[in-house]
Parts: sequence; C-alpha cells; structure tokens
Amino acid sequence: EPEVTQTPSHQVTQMGQEVILRCVPISNHLYFYWYRQILGQKVEFLVSFYNNEISEKSEIFDDQFSVERPDGSNFTLKIRSTKLEDSAMYFCASSIASSTDTQYFGPGTRLTVL
Amino acid sequence: GNSVTQMEGPVTLSEEAFLTINCTYTATGYPSLFWYVQYPGEGLQLLLKATKADDKGSNKGFEATYRKETTSFHLEKGSVQVSDSAVYFCAPRFQGGSEKLVFGKGTKLTVNP
Repeated sequence: EPEVTQTPSHQVTQMGQEVILRCVPISNHLYFYWYRQILGQKVEFLVSFYNNEISEKSEIFDDQFSVERPDGSNFTLKIRSTKLEDSAMYFCASSIASSTDTQYFGPGTRLTVL
Repeated sequence: GNSVTQMEGPVTLSEEAFLTINCTYTATGYPSLFWYVQYPGEGLQLLLKATKADDKGSNKGFEATYRKETTSFHLEKGSVQVSDSAVYFCAPRFQGGSEKLVFGKGTKLTVNP
C-alpha cells in the first residue's frame, strides 16, 4: 500500500540554524500539506501546496518558513532560522485532490531546537 | 467561526469495555468529518470519515455518525482491545474553500487487559 514517507525521523539543530524537512508524498497525489504538533498540544495546520504554489497557509507559516517541490517526488519544508519554539513533530500529508478527499499522513519528523 | 471540541482524556478502560469519545463542531456550513488515530511512536492514521449528514463511517470496529442536528461526530466502539490504546483526534475540514484539517486536542485511550 502506498504511503507518505518523511526524513529524517529526528532532527536536532541549534537555534538560528536552517533546517530542511523532507517528504515523499504518495505518487499520484496532487495536494500536499504540512502540519505540526508541539509536544502535548494539538496538531496544527501550516500550509497546503498545489500546482507548485501555496494554496493556503496559517498564521504560523511566516517568512521563516518555505515549501518547495524540487522534483517530481519530494516535498520539503524549510525553516530559515530556527527558534526554540519551532521544536515539534512535523507531519507531511498528501491527498489526491482537495475538497472531500482524505489526507494521508507520514510518520513525522521530530525537530528539536537547542 | 469554525471550531471543534473534543472530549479530553485520558480515558482508561478495561478490555471489552464500551468506548465513546465525544466530538462536536461549530460551523457555518457542513464540514467533512474525520477521525485520526496515533498509535504510540507512530504518525497519524485515518480511522474513519463521513462527508455528509447521516453518513456513518466505520473501520476496525469503530463507528461514528455525522449528526447535523447536534453537530456531532462521536466515536464509538463496542468492545475495546489493548491494541486500541492510542490517541484519537477528531478533525473536521470546514467548507469555504479551505483544505486544512482542524484537529481537536486529542483523547488518549489506554486499554488495560
């Protein structure tokens, strides 16, 4: 069964450093998403991406964040200058189309900012 | 505005007990409704969904019915197993052109043998 994959599973970085989180969505899916879950809190939407552009983003997704689909398979989230409060589990998801389609999630990347 | 309220846990049950986890929403339209489950150390998995009023989603013995009148989507299972121990999230996707899921706070379920 096709699944969303994410690398690395755990990333440790120093405050102020740039990090790139990688995701490989399910191959025939067209919509891609990033969510995050700060420890002990609820899962929050960051951004959705379709047709090589951002289709929706939350207030959390400020200028420090960017997303890219550099090739036909990868979908990345970049944080330019990490802060302590960026420490969280980051989930990538994909869906065939939007509206009522199901979003399938990857296993997550745990980001720890020291 | 649009919001979701989910019963907070933790919930501890004995094996074969009946489970209900409440989820209600406030919306200007009719959202699609999802339950996701997160097993220990794993990511989010879709458990079940319903996209219109009176639809019933079901999977692995879990059920939830889309109740427009009470704006609810309560998760139920008649007989839980130890392997059902996980965190359960109610997640509507509201109308109005938004694609995002809005997650409830999650309910941690522990089932003891």
